[in-house]
Amino acid sequence: GEDVEQSLFLSVREGDSSVINCTYTDSSSTYLYWYKQEPGAGLQLLTYIFSNMDMKQDQRLTVLLNKKDKHLSLRIADTQTGDSAIYFCAEKGDSSYKLIFGSGTRLLVRP
Amino acid sequence: DSGVTQTPKHLITATGQRVTLRCSPRSGDLSVYWYQQSLDQGLQFLIQYYNGEERAKGNILERFSAQQFPDLHSELNLSSLELGDSALYFCASGRTWNTEAFFGQGTRLTVV
Repeated sequence: GEDVEQSLFLSVREGDSSVINCTYTDSSSTYLYWYKQEPGAGLQLLTYIFSNMDMKQDQRLTVLLNKKDKHLSLRIADTQTGDSAIYFCAEKGDSSYKLIFGSGTRLLVRP
Repeated sequence: DSGVTQTPKHLITATGQRVTLRCSPRSGDLSVYWYQQSLDQGLQFLIQYYNGEERAKGNILERFSAQQFPDLHSELNLSSLELGDSALYFCASGRTWNTEAFFGQGTRLTVV
């Protein structure tokens, strides 16, 4: 079945790098996404990666995909207090219409 | 701002009542998704419409229904409300059925 798992909590110091990890079970996953949710707000699409890619970089964000291990990570360089939020990993299969979300990782950035 | 508009932002209603949540997708987007976010269930996919037609159904209760109108806006109808229906309801839209989805700010429903 489809399942996406994430660790619940990550705490880092301002200026350090953050790495948020995600594993998924659907081997037909074609698209993998990272969303950010700040308190009281909606989900903001941060970035996404196609399954035929290993890495995608977008400014401070780097997404790494290990398709063999079904492991996805989001690295945030030079983490700022404004990066404190819940980060959701999501996957969608090629023939699926729906996004399957993980439970979210709460990132706390300490000054 | 994602370009997806949801109204109302907050809704408080009593058990047994019926409410309608509205979503306007981004300009040009044909696909609309509805999700429910609750503390115990996380983000649950409810239903998806594409260009006016239902395309996929998730964990949507029979008391809930949705539709997408010719102008592509969508409404989610929740009836016979129960306390457990209290949650954040998100709408998302995408260009086609298979592209990234952009989320609205959500409607917070509180059933008392």
